[in-house]
This record gives sequence, C-alpha cells and structure tokens, in this order.
Amino acid sequence: AQTVTQSQPEMSVQEAETVTLSCTYDTSESDYYLFWYKQPPSRQMILVIRQEAYKQQNATENRFSVNFQKAAKSFSLKISDSQLGDAAMYFCAYREGGSEKLVFGKGMKLTVNP
Amino acid sequence: SQTIHQWPATLVQPVGSPLSLECTVEGTSNPNLYWYRQAAGRGLQLLFYSIGIDQISSEVPQNLSASRPQDRQFILSSKKLLLSDSGFYLCAWSVGQPYYGYTFGSGTRLTVV
Repeated sequence: AQTVTQSQPEMSVQEAETVTLSCTYDTSESDYYLFWYKQPPSRQMILVIRQEAYKQQNATENRFSVNFQKAAKSFSLKISDSQLGDAAMYFCAYREGGSEKLVFGKGMKLTVNP
Repeated sequence: SQTIHQWPATLVQPVGSPLSLECTVEGTSNPNLYWYRQAAGRGLQLLFYSIGIDQISSEVPQNLSASRPQDRQFILSSKKLLLSDSGFYLCAWSVGQPYYGYTFGSGTRLTVV
C-alpha cells in the first residue's frame, strides 16, 4: 500500500523567513499526484499546491513552491516570506492516477514567530 | 460554484447513542464523496468513499456506516457510539481528474462522553 511520511511533527519559522517542510512517499506507480494541504486552527482543510508526477517542473503558487524529486520519492514544500497566517498543520497527500483515494501523511505543525 | 456543507459543527453524544452526520454538495453532479476521521494528534484516516448513489466502500471495519441516498448527499451513521469514535470528521468531494484533489467540508467535532 502507498504510504506518505512526514518525519518532522513540528517546525517553527520566523516571520518573513523561508521554511521547508519535508515529505516522502512510497509507491511503485508512475501515474500519481501529490498535494500539500493546510489545516489552520479553524480545522478547514485547504489545498495549497499540487504536482503531477509526470511533470518535471516543480509547481509554484505565489509564496509556495515544491521540490519534487521523483527518483527519491520526495515532495517538499517551501514557504517563502512566511506570514503569521501560515501557521497551521500541513499535510502531504498522495493520489494514484486510477484510484479514488487520497492518502495523507500524519501532518506537521508549523509555528510562525513574529 | 461548488460548495460543500457539513453539519453539525460540534456534537457531544453519550456512549451508546446513535449518530448521524450529514454532508451535501452543491454545484456539481455525480461527485465522489468521502468521510475522513482525524483523531487528536494524528493524520486523516479514510473511513468511507462513494462513487455513486448507494455505492459505498468501507476502508476501516468499525461500528460506523455510511449511506448515499441522493447523488449529492453523504451520511455517516452509527447505531451505538463508542468512546473511541470521538474525533474530527471531515467530508470531502472530488470530480473527474485526480489532479484536482479533494475539496473538504468544515468538519464536525464529535465528542463521545
């Protein structure tokens, strides 16, 4: 079964600094999609960024970008110019191309210090 | 635009009581629907998913059940709640391409006492 691992349960960053959240996954498939979700204190799950496995170019969304290393099965999220509103739980997730299911990592709590 | 409604937001129920959580989606047809549970300090566990009316797949054997009586309605139920059923329950939907991931509801915090 596919697994998603977020090895760092907590991280902190200073406001305006850059932080990188790590994620690794295990799969034997070639067609899959990777996601980062944010869960602020409100508990609403918000999609931050996504990446198709067949695309070599790393996805970017404003201050959020990923470092997708397919051979290493690594999918890290970089947050630039961190803001207080970035404080949240961040979940890495994997979805196989032919599957209905989204598999989540256990999450990582990000604290942003003013 | 598509929206997802989930209620109630908070629920406190005694052990042994029944449960019914409802989720509805607007603005789309034939969505895939999902129920996830998030226990304290843990990730999201997929409980059930549905690709159509009355088509339910269970991921984890437990005393919970799910039903989809209408295309855009997904219900999570239990006949008798256990203390271990406490947690945060999230409904989600997706359509079409897996690229789009899921869209989540606002969740229900269930406390079984």
